[in-house]
Amino acid sequence: KAGVTQTPRYLIKTRGQQVTLSCSPISGHRSVSWYQQTPGQGLQFLFEYFSETQRNKGNFPGRFSGRQFSNSRSEMNVSTLELGDSALYLCASSPTTGTGELFFGEGSRLTVL
Amino acid sequence: KQEVTQIPAALSVPEGENLVLNCSFTDSAIYNLQWFRQDPGKGLTSLLLIQSSQREQTSGRLNASLDKSSGRSTLYIAASQPGDSATYLCAADLLYGGSQGNLIFGKGTKLSVKP
Repeated sequence: KAGVTQTPRYLIKTRGQQVTLSCSPISGHRSVSWYQQTPGQGLQFLFEYFSETQRNKGNFPGRFSGRQFSNSRSEMNVSTLELGDSALYLCASSPTTGTGELFFGEGSRLTVL
Repeated sequence: KQEVTQIPAALSVPEGENLVLNCSFTDSAIYNLQWFRQDPGKGLTSLLLIQSSQREQTSGRLNASLDKSSGRSTLYIAASQPGDSATYLCAADLLYGGSQGNLIFGKGTKLSVKP
């Protein structure tokens, strides 16, 4: 069974640009969560989608947005990039029911210059 | 506001030693608690999940315990090996009655096992 797949793995952008990251969950998983990881703040929750609906959102500015498609694949977008947005962005998927265990992808490392 | 703390931040041990990693959380109303491993530049690998109604879980050389009343969880690693070197993260899932993917993470314990 394939794991959570994130693309691209690495990308470099400049301030003011926007970026879109993609996440394909484990087959059959309908919940997708996004996290930002930085050396200073650690792992912070961005948002969670289930059946194309955002169910939960962390404390991030509106520049951070996401969506989920009917096949459960999810994208997150960051507009007007700032230097502080440089981070590892991790996606996790979870089964519809059960213990709530999360399965993470390898992440997308974003560098903003 | 839930806070998760992990002590120590870093730990270096010789191969073969048994060790304990600590995790504490401020709000006992958790749905579950998960332990993860992260290798440098990689994503997170789920190690063990303890539901709020459980007290411990075991997988191979790993044993995790949960004491909600004291707000503590420990990860016990038996007979450590150099391949265990990684950062270990604990995370509390706060929403009782159903998880919505919002985990509160500790900052992690960076473990180094010397041959």
